[in-house]
Parts: sequence; C-alpha cells; structure tokens
Amino acid sequence: QKEVEQDPGPLSVPEGAIVSLNCTYSNSAFQYFMWYRQYSRKGPELLMYTYSSGNKEDGRFTAQVDKSSKYISLFIRDSQPSDSATYLCAMIMAGGTSYGKLTFGQGTILTVHP
Amino acid sequence: KAGVTQTPRYLIKTRGQQVTLSCSPISGHRSVSWYQQTPGQGLQFLFEYFSETQRNKGNFPGRFSGRQFSNSRSEMNVSTLELGDSALYLCASSPSFEAGGTDTQYFGPGTRLTVL
Repeated sequence: QKEVEQDPGPLSVPEGAIVSLNCTYSNSAFQYFMWYRQYSRKGPELLMYTYSSGNKEDGRFTAQVDKSSKYISLFIRDSQPSDSATYLCAMIMAGGTSYGKLTFGQGTILTVHP
Repeated sequence: KAGVTQTPRYLIKTRGQQVTLSCSPISGHRSVSWYQQTPGQGLQFLFEYFSETQRNKGNFPGRFSGRQFSNSRSEMNVSTLELGDSALYLCASSPSFEAGGTDTQYFGPGTRLTVL
C-alpha cells in the first residue's frame, strides 16, 4: 500500500465548476502538506503549503487538512481552462531522517473544458 | 528572484553510459533535493543535500549519486545507465528550517533523460 493515495482521474469539468481534489495518507508522522500543479513537460509549481488541520485560502484555491482522518483536499473555485494540469499532493515529516523528502501522490489529471 | 534552473533540459544517452545533471537553486536556498518522475512510479525522492552534505537518501541503487558545492549548486550523476533510468529528473530547492526558512520546495523545469 502506498503511503499517499491520490485518485489519478482523469477528471473533466466545465469551466466555472468547483473542483475537489483529494489525498489520503497512512503515516501520521506527516506534518506538512503541499499541493503542486504540473503542466505537461514542466516542473511542479507550488500552489499551497499548510501545516495544521483546517482550511487555508489563496484566491480561487482552498487547501483543507484533516489530520485526524489523514485526509487532505484542494478545492478550486470558478475553474478555468488554464487550470487544466496534473495536480499533485505532497507531504513531509518533521525533521530528522525526513530531510528534504517529499512523498507524493500519483497526481490527478484535470481538464477544464470551455 | 530567479527560479531553480536545471541543465541540460534534454539528454539522450545509450545503455552503459554515464550522465551528469546540474541544478542551480534559488538564491539563498541551501537545501537541494532530487527526484525522479516516471509515468509508472510518479515522483520518487533520490536524495537531499544541505551545506554540501547529503542528509537523506531515497531507495535507489548506488549508481545514482550526487554532490553539492559551496555555492549550493548541485549535480547528480547516474553511472552505467539502464533503459529504466529514462525519466524526468527534477531538482527542488528549499530555504530549510535550519537556515531560518521553511522546507517548502520549489522545483526546476527538469531534465528529460532518454536512455536508448
């Protein structure tokens, strides 16, 4: 079983829809959570960084963390065709032997059609 | 600030050869991590360097190695290339907690390696 599970999709939505992307994890040692967006043939681009349970909002993006359920989500409001990309959740443990090691989900392919 | 840069962007090699990839982190960032991305395995951690020291290593064979220089630039080397080494190799830099920042990682565009 993978440490981080993410539904690969693909997910196809109409422009303007609210998109919900989710990841579950099994190791409670993960303390910091990130969402990245990756366009085809590009490197991942950081969207959100959170470290506590609850919600964090940045523009059209809201990241949600529920550590008790080991579940994180990313919501995209008013989705645009330019949001079409692969979305990756990532997480890291605190200090020690986890230095620099992000553990990623498989990524969800999102297409927003006009 | 300029972002993370990686060179070369594309590389074609044959089995048995070796390859060196280069990464220049964001100015002021002292931690550099390397990842391999393939369609089947996704993004997998190779190793992390901080102040010229390897602090963490992923589950890859010894053919994969790296180093970091005093200016935080990093290189990774793959010796005796195999067909399965074909992948996008990504490097990410972080300000790191030890340097008063966070461990948020910012990725470069990657080097796409094809092994024939």
